[in-house]
Amino acid sequence: EAQVTQNPRYLITVTGKKLTVTCSQNMNHEYMSWYRQDPGLGLRQIYYSMNVEVTDKGDVPEGYKVSRKEKRNFPLILESPSPNQTSLYFCASSFTGLDTDTQYFGPGTRLTVL
Amino acid sequence: AQSVAQPEDQVNVAEGNPLTVKCTYSVSGNPYLFWYVQYPNRGLQFLLKYITGDNLVKGSYGFEAEFNKSQTSFHLKKPSALVSDSALYFCAVRDNEDFNKFYFGSGTKLNVKP
Repeated sequence: EAQVTQNPRYLITVTGKKLTVTCSQNMNHEYMSWYRQDPGLGLRQIYYSMNVEVTDKGDVPEGYKVSRKEKRNFPLILESPSPNQTSLYFCASSFTGLDTDTQYFGPGTRLTVL
Repeated sequence: AQSVAQPEDQVNVAEGNPLTVKCTYSVSGNPYLFWYVQYPNRGLQFLLKYITGDNLVKGSYGFEAEFNKSQTSFHLKKPSALVSDSALYFCAVRDNEDFNKFYFGSGTKLNVKP
């Protein structure tokens, strides 16, 4: 089954404790992206990746890191989480052509930083 | 800068009645617009997109959207609402200057009552 998976689905942590949220897709998509969803703000793009070893900042990259060492995986790293990073996070992937750029979203990771 | 706005936080409609979820956009150049739907505890799912061509775009689950350049709008419509259409709907625009960036609206919660 074609899908985007994220782990963990739920995470409660404390300020300053490094964490990684994993994202994996099995559709051979070149493009992958991370978003955060906050009430009243919709989804905001954190980082994206055009392909292996190619990443760039989205609209709200502060406090986050990413890496793309393999085509299927795109982990989101919070080196020192803070309470304002409490949010619902989504990973998405797609092909890069204008006719094939429909994004497929993972199920989300709900992060709480105390 | 590119952006979309969804002026209604919530739309209520009776089952069987037509529904409209509003979206307006602000882009430089030609817009490249999307609608996504989010069911409870799920990731976003693609409904439809507008690139160029016909102003009426047909998508999944009987939804369609009308592109209006003079009003800079891209409203989502369905002739006859179903209770199962109740969900959170997001309008999004692709950045014309950086095709890797996407901007989402704040979302509109659609409630369809039996």
